[in-house]
Amino acid sequence: SQTIHQWPATLVQPVGSPLSLECTVEGTSNPNLYWYRQAAGRGLQLLFYSVGIGQISSEVPQNLSASRPQDRQFILSSKKLLLSDSGFYLCAWRAFYTGELFFGEGSRLTVL
Amino acid sequence: SQQGEEDPQALSIQEGENATMNCSYKTSINNLQWYRQNSGRGLVHLILIRSNEREKHSGRLRVTLDTSKKSSSLLITASRAADTASYFCATDGGGNNRLAFGKGNQVVVIP
Repeated sequence: SQTIHQWPATLVQPVGSPLSLECTVEGTSNPNLYWYRQAAGRGLQLLFYSVGIGQISSEVPQNLSASRPQDRQFILSSKKLLLSDSGFYLCAWRAFYTGELFFGEGSRLTVL
Repeated sequence: SQQGEEDPQALSIQEGENATMNCSYKTSINNLQWYRQNSGRGLVHLILIRSNEREKHSGRLRVTLDTSKKSSSLLITASRAADTASYFCATDGGGNNRLAFGKGNQVVVIP
């Protein structure tokens, strides 16, 4: 069966510091992968999605970037965090035939 | 623009009652999906309804879709305390690999 792992679960970082959130999927190959951000009490904002290694589509211009160095690995990064980057970050993969998303447990980022 | 948009309600009901929440969207869709999120956790897929379907059931869940009104509803029957969560609708426009999520409906079931 497929599983998705996301880490770290919680992160507190100072403004201006770098960020790296990692997501890996097991049990499926060539998945579509997604990074969403959820602000407190808000819906989900799609940040990036990837249909294959090295293929990244950005939905929202910002100081975040994403990379997909391996088929089942998706990384969210920033060189210099802003206060507004605080939020709950969710990685997900999409089932090809049914179209549903399977989410990781999320990474809560607080930028101070 | 975000397509799925729930009525931004915080619903508080007694255990055993039914909970209904609505979702409206703006453009044509291939399917509409409902997800559940427990506090501080990832989202879990509940049910998917295709654009050519009008109603779908899964256990205590009933979803309706009215494409003429661009709206959907999720009904949870005989609610339980464990149903306390936020519920999101998401629309799939097809062909662009993206799901657009609404802001979510918070449901509290009081035991």
